Amino acid sequence: AAGVIQSPRHLIKEKRETATLKCYPIPRHDTVYWYQQGPGQDPQFLISFYEKMQSDKGSIPDRFSAQQFSDYHSELNMSSLELGDSALYFCASSRTGSREQFFGPGTRLTVL
Amino acid sequence: AQSVTQLDSQVPVFEEAPVELRCNYSSSVSVYLFWYVQYPNQGLQLLLKYLSGSTLVKGINGFEAEFNKSQTSFHLRKPSVHISDTAEYFCAVSDVSGNTGKLIFGQGTTLQVKP
Repeated sequence: AAGVIQSPRHLIKEKRETATLKCYPIPRHDTVYWYQQGPGQDPQFLISFYEKMQSDKGSIPDRFSAQQFSDYHSELNMSSLELGDSALYFCASSRTGSREQFFGPGTRLTVL
Repeated sequence: AQSVTQLDSQVPVFEEAPVELRCNYSSSVSVYLFWYVQYPNQGLQLLLKYLSGSTLVKGINGFEAEFNKSQTSFHLRKPSVHISDTAEYFCAVSDVSGNTGKLIFGQGTTLQVKP
């Protein structure tokens, strides 16, 4: 069965650089969620999209922005990277009417 | 707002022994409840979920959980663990009436199964 695809799987950036993380949801899933998991921590909700519109916003820094495109894939753009942004970033998808979220393998971002 | 508390950060157990991972939640509204498992360097996999109906929920890999509304708990159990169950386990909730279904996670419990 198709799963959520995230790219890249690993990313190394310098401080103050920018990064773009991509998420491709399971086919026919119309909702995408982004979570950030710091080292040894639980995942924290960042932002979500339903039918290409932002549906909810969590603890996402102003330096980050995201969007969902017409093919339902989503991109998380991160600017002015800080050391504290080093984390595992998960994307999850679900379809309308279902509360079950399917998670991707994550993108591990390291900021040096 | 909701919050989730996993009462044990680490649970060591011998292989073939039973295990219980505890989860309590706090919410002013009705919630859905989930348990996810995370193996090292991997994503989150859904073990089981409670949406409605029977309070005893069976999931994958022989796990089950019981929703107790009066105690606001959703403890995860397995009668006999295997070495391969060694992983991080997260309890999570989402607001029933919320539009988005975002998950609020607990701090996680590391299950260490010893031979």
